[in-house]
Amino acid sequence: ETGVTQSPTHLIKTRGQQVTLRCSSQSGHNTVSWYQQALGQGPQFIFQYYREEENGRGNFPPRFSGLQFPNYSSELNVNALELDDSALYLCASSEAVGGGSPLHFGNGTRLTVT
Amino acid sequence: DQQVKQNSPSLSVQEGRISILNCDYTNSMFDYFLWYKKYPAEGPTFLISISSIKDKNEDGRFTVFLNKSAKHLSLHIVPSQPGDSAVYFCAASEASGTYKYIFGTGTRLKVLA
Repeated sequence: ETGVTQSPTHLIKTRGQQVTLRCSSQSGHNTVSWYQQALGQGPQFIFQYYREEENGRGNFPPRFSGLQFPNYSSELNVNALELDDSALYLCASSEAVGGGSPLHFGNGTRLTVT
Repeated sequence: DQQVKQNSPSLSVQEGRISILNCDYTNSMFDYFLWYKKYPAEGPTFLISISSIKDKNEDGRFTVFLNKSAKHLSLHIVPSQPGDSAVYFCAASEASGTYKYIFGTGTRLKVLA
């Protein structure tokens, strides 16, 4: 069974640039969620995708957007990067939408915005 | 508005003893709770879950207790091992039709050999 994989592992960008992060779901999982973890904080929900549609969104501005593909892989795009976007970005897949189904996380992408 | 709180940022325990990690929540609609362990440079790893219809769930050395009236849950690790040294997060969600987990800020556990 293949777990959740994310790429790249580290990324350095300049303020104002755009970035795309990628995620492959665990096999058999059709739901993918993205979380942002700032230093010293717990993960914060960005959004979730199910059947290639955004299924819910946290308190993040529209410059955070995503995609889910037919093979359940996913992308997180962030436009007009700000210094506060520096964080660990975690992708998680699950067997079903909603609570009651544990999230299985990848190792994350560490984004640094300078 | 911190709906899930882990008030102890760190905890040190002697190897072989019990580790107790605590978590409080404010949203009475939460009915599914998870615990995760996180090592540096890795993603969080799912440990154990509990739904609100139970007050205890056990898996090997890990036991989670839920006190709904106090809106409190705890993770017990017995016996603690040096490999358990990590940051532990609790998370909560509403199991009926919603989609996001709310995480606490984590407790760093150090198990001393």
